[in-house]
Amino acid sequence: GAVVSQHPSWVICKSGTSVKIECRSLDFQATTMFWYRQFPKQSLMLMATSNEGSKATYEQGVEKDKFLINHASLTLSTLTVTSAHPEDSSFYICSAREVGLGTQYFGPGTRLLVL
Amino acid sequence: SQQGEEDPQALSIQEGENATMNCSYKTSINNLQWYRQNSGRGLVHLILIRSNEREKHSGRLRVTLDTSKKSSSLLITASRAADTASYFCATGDMRFGAGTRLTVKP
Repeated sequence: GAVVSQHPSWVICKSGTSVKIECRSLDFQATTMFWYRQFPKQSLMLMATSNEGSKATYEQGVEKDKFLINHASLTLSTLTVTSAHPEDSSFYICSAREVGLGTQYFGPGTRLLVL
Repeated sequence: SQQGEEDPQALSIQEGENATMNCSYKTSINNLQWYRQNSGRGLVHLILIRSNEREKHSGRLRVTLDTSKKSSSLLITASRAADTASYFCATGDMRFGAGTRLTVKP
């Protein structure tokens, strides 16, 4: 099946620093990518939907200036957590929608720990 | 919102038994997708069923879709301990419900 990668798989950073997470569709093109966060034992919460070449659409309550999303190509989207704080510690997951069929494939997730 | 809502929230069965999970949604859809998530991992795509399909099979998985009732079900036959995971459904806007936590006891 189609593969979506995320990098890094885990990251520990100090409070106040920024962290960039990459999401790549490895063997297909994705005009739309989604970013989620998931707290322990909870469901995935959609943060934003990004379309290649345009601004991301953020869900209510998600600060666009804090969670910067860039979708510069059909195979890459990035999420930057700016000025990270301990409450941003979470599991961040991206997904990519395959052009045409519409099947959604998920990355393996990035675990962020902010100290 | 087209958020899928799964039930039951938790299901515990013995190995070899069948497991059935349900998903309900609110608006019209083009397709519905089922996913599995093992603890601390990303989601694995299981199956996509289109709005004009009523049933679809993939190995031990059987998915049904009833657009008149806005519901779908996922049946896992002859369950295995390795099927222990959370299962989610998602519709077009890719918002997820709480999922069904399946535990298969060996």
